Amino acid sequence: GDSVTQMEGPVTLSEEAFLTINCTYTATGYPSLFWYVQYPGEGLQLLLKATKADDKGSNKGFEATYRKETTSFHLEKGSVQVSDSAVYFCALSGSGGASKIIFGSGTRLSIRP
Amino acid sequence: GAGVSQSPRYKVAKRGQDVALRCDPISGHVSLFWYQQALGQGPEFLTYFQNEAQLDKSGLPSDRFFAERPEGSVSTLKIQRTQQEDSAVYLCASSLSRGTESSYEQYFGPGTRLTVT
Repeated sequence: GDSVTQMEGPVTLSEEAFLTINCTYTATGYPSLFWYVQYPGEGLQLLLKATKADDKGSNKGFEATYRKETTSFHLEKGSVQVSDSAVYFCALSGSGGASKIIFGSGTRLSIRP
Repeated sequence: GAGVSQSPRYKVAKRGQDVALRCDPISGHVSLFWYQQALGQGPEFLTYFQNEAQLDKSGLPSDRFFAERPEGSVSTLKIQRTQQEDSAVYLCASSLSRGTESSYEQYFGPGTRLTVT
């Protein structure tokens, strides 16, 4: 079945460092890909998404590119802030209509001032 | 406007007790999903409703789990004879699901943390 594999954490970086969190997926068809974020004490929020190959999703300085040839959707940010400390989930769902989301296991990110 | 709300936020149950978890989706949202998130893991799909119809219950782990959405709005997830392995955060999400691609975005509630002792 469909699945998502993401980089295990925790990941600890200094403020202003470059961030990459790796994510690969297995799916039939052409899924939509997502990154969700869960800040401490808050609910899951959609961070960014891409719905077709070569699309780039971006938000709050984060970006990820849908790479069909490598079945990847790596999350990057050029300069992280302490406020980016959270758990990040890579996810996929079927395209076209309401569809369940399949999540990776999450990567905890901590940023040191 | 109001987001997805869930109640109770925390529930402690003794093994063998029945529990009921409530989800109030965003008003007018057609689709409603339940997910289970074990500690340190990503959420896993349990079941999906379109209005009052339960279209997919393939993720329910056993017949002790039952969900309903009788009027196409509020939903209840019921767990009978709770076991320790049921301890998790139960998340509800809803989406408008009308027409445009963006309407299928799922909005998540804060979750109910269930602890079975």
